[in-house]
Amino acid sequence: AQSVAQPEDQVNVAEGNPLTVKCTYSVSGNPYLFWYVQYPNRGLQFLLKYITGDNLVKGSYGFEAEFNKSQTSFHLKKPSALVSDSALYFCAVRRSSNTGKLIFGQGTTLQVKP
Amino acid sequence: SQTIHQWPATLVQPVGSPLSLECTVEGTSNPNLYWYRQAAGRGLQLLFYSVGIGQISSEVPQNLSASRPQDRQFILSSKKLLLSDSGFYLCAWTRGGPTYEQYFGPGTRLTVT
Repeated sequence: AQSVAQPEDQVNVAEGNPLTVKCTYSVSGNPYLFWYVQYPNRGLQFLLKYITGDNLVKGSYGFEAEFNKSQTSFHLKKPSALVSDSALYFCAVRRSSNTGKLIFGQGTTLQVKP
Repeated sequence: SQTIHQWPATLVQPVGSPLSLECTVEGTSNPNLYWYRQAAGRGLQLLFYSVGIGQISSEVPQNLSASRPQDRQFILSSKKLLLSDSGFYLCAWTRGGPTYEQYFGPGTRLTVT
């Protein structure tokens, strides 16, 4: 069975510091991995994805994520956090079928303090 | 470019009343469509998905139903709302194939009183 775990309910960082939001996954076969961000009372916005190739994936708003197959992880990172990055972040993994269904983690709230 | 719309944005309905939420996608054809519910601003629960007109798959048993009368239209319905139906409802679309990301609509906030 496929699953995604985001072990931290909340991550707190100071503005200007690097941030990491953790994600681990379990999936049979090759994983397709995604990160989304959600601001209050808004829909989810796509940030980046890993399909194949380079383990370091760059996405929107300066975010990047590192795919680690041996640790089955796909952590989201940013070198310098902004207060405006404060939001709810979701990691997701794709089942290998044509329905395109995604399995989402429970989300991690990122709080960036000035 | 593609756009996804949802309406209404907010809805307050009494228990036992019917429900109809609509989602439409512009700028693409034959999308896969999804309905999610998000409770208390946390995890997403997949309710229904559709890979084509008239093709609906249900993920969880409940008093909700979905229909896809046109290629880019996805409707979520209920005959009688329950208090537990309150939540934030999100529609999403994706191109067919496993490598494509899903794109989400702005959501509908439903409060059942």
